[in-house]
Amino acid sequence: NAGVTQTPKFQVLKTGQSMTLQCAQDMNHEYMSWYRQDPGMGLRLIHYSVGAGITDQGEVPNGYNVSRSTTEDFPLRLLSAAPSQTSVYFCASRKGTRNTGELFFGEGSRLTVL
Amino acid sequence: KQEVTQIPAALSVPEGENLVLNCSFTDSAIYNLQWFRQDPGKGLTSLLLIQSSQREQTSGRLNASLDKSSGRSTLYIAASQPGDSATYLCAADGQGGSEKLVFGKGTKLTVNP
Repeated sequence: NAGVTQTPKFQVLKTGQSMTLQCAQDMNHEYMSWYRQDPGMGLRLIHYSVGAGITDQGEVPNGYNVSRSTTEDFPLRLLSAAPSQTSVYFCASRKGTRNTGELFFGEGSRLTVL
Repeated sequence: KQEVTQIPAALSVPEGENLVLNCSFTDSAIYNLQWFRQDPGKGLTSLLLIQSSQREQTSGRLNASLDKSSGRSTLYIAASQPGDSATYLCAADGQGGSEKLVFGKGTKLTVNP
């Protein structure tokens, strides 16, 4: 009963490095999304996808890239890490595409950029 | 732009008390509103989902209501317990019912034994 799985759970990067946060779900959900959570700012949407091959920007997309080649996976790529990207990142998924289903979250990935 | 506000930011109550958490949103063109719980260092867990055609949902000691016309939702917790201590967040659809869910900043609840 895996649900939404995120890896890695913790990561430390140096400024300018790139990396990919992985997200996988085994519930056959059409909708997947990435949020970042920062103190005082709450949860902010980075990118989302309503199905394989379809992605769109959220509120804070700059510096991040996504793709959705399969229903199960939705990786988030940091192209050139900056200290401002230090945050906790959450992946979430739900059934359906018109806001009709519960959103399920992963446990989060804590990223520190030095 | 949809804005979601939760008041108060923090709440401390004695065990056994009934309490209400508030969530307000500026754009009423939503399909649904969802309440979540977040424990420290953990992800969010869905508590209740209220669809726009519904006025309330119940799960155990939790009851959530939705009033689209006034842009408000409340989460009622009956007979609170120390295990209810967590941050509670609500989320509504983006402007015009878009897929871009907007979260409130949460209410941090502490239930004292």
